[in-house]
Amino acid sequence: AQSVTQPDIHITVSEGASLELRCNYSYGATPYLFWYVQSPGQGLQLLLKYFSGDTLVQGIKGFEAEFKRSQSSFNLRKPSVHWSDAAEYFCAVAPKTSYDKVIFGPGTSLSVIP
Amino acid sequence: DTGVSQNPRHKITKRGQNVTFRCDPISEHNRLYWYRQTLGQGPEFLTYFQNEAQLEKSRLLSDRFSAERPKGSFSTLEIQRTEQGDSAMYLCASSPQTGLFAEAFFGQGTRLTVV
Repeated sequence: AQSVTQPDIHITVSEGASLELRCNYSYGATPYLFWYVQSPGQGLQLLLKYFSGDTLVQGIKGFEAEFKRSQSSFNLRKPSVHWSDAAEYFCAVAPKTSYDKVIFGPGTSLSVIP
Repeated sequence: DTGVSQNPRHKITKRGQNVTFRCDPISEHNRLYWYRQTLGQGPEFLTYFQNEAQLEKSRLLSDRFSAERPKGSFSTLEIQRTEQGDSAMYLCASSPQTGLFAEAFFGQGTRLTVV
């Protein structure tokens, strides 16, 4: 069955510390891969996406993610977290035939302490 | 353009009542999507439109749910005979039709509480 797992339900980091959010997927073929962020009272915002090519992708707000085919993973990283990064982060996948069937993971809630 | 707009932002209804939500996408976006997000979960795909045509419906969309996009602009999602299990955030997103994938822009959602 197609699925996306985010092993960490909640993560707390100190401001200025590095961050890595984990994502693993189970899919028939390598799908499109995405990371979204959802801040309180805000809509989902696309941080970055991977289609093909370079396995390290850069996104907005200083985020990057690395696709590892052998591990079926697409982990999100940021070298230095800001207090404004506190939010819910969702990993998502979609088949390469269309965007219509996006599958979101359960999300990881990020708290940032000063 | 101010993005995808959803109304109302919050709705509390009694079990058994009908509710209707509205989504105004970004103008000129051909594609419009509805998702449902329950507490502690990621969004789940419900349905999507390309212009006025409803092209895909999830099995999550029971017979009590109906969505329309009559003129290819705004869309409505109606839930009939609401149940407590319908309590969730209903998200709308829109995207332009450019190739296989175009970024979808999400609205802030309508939070439904069925009591």
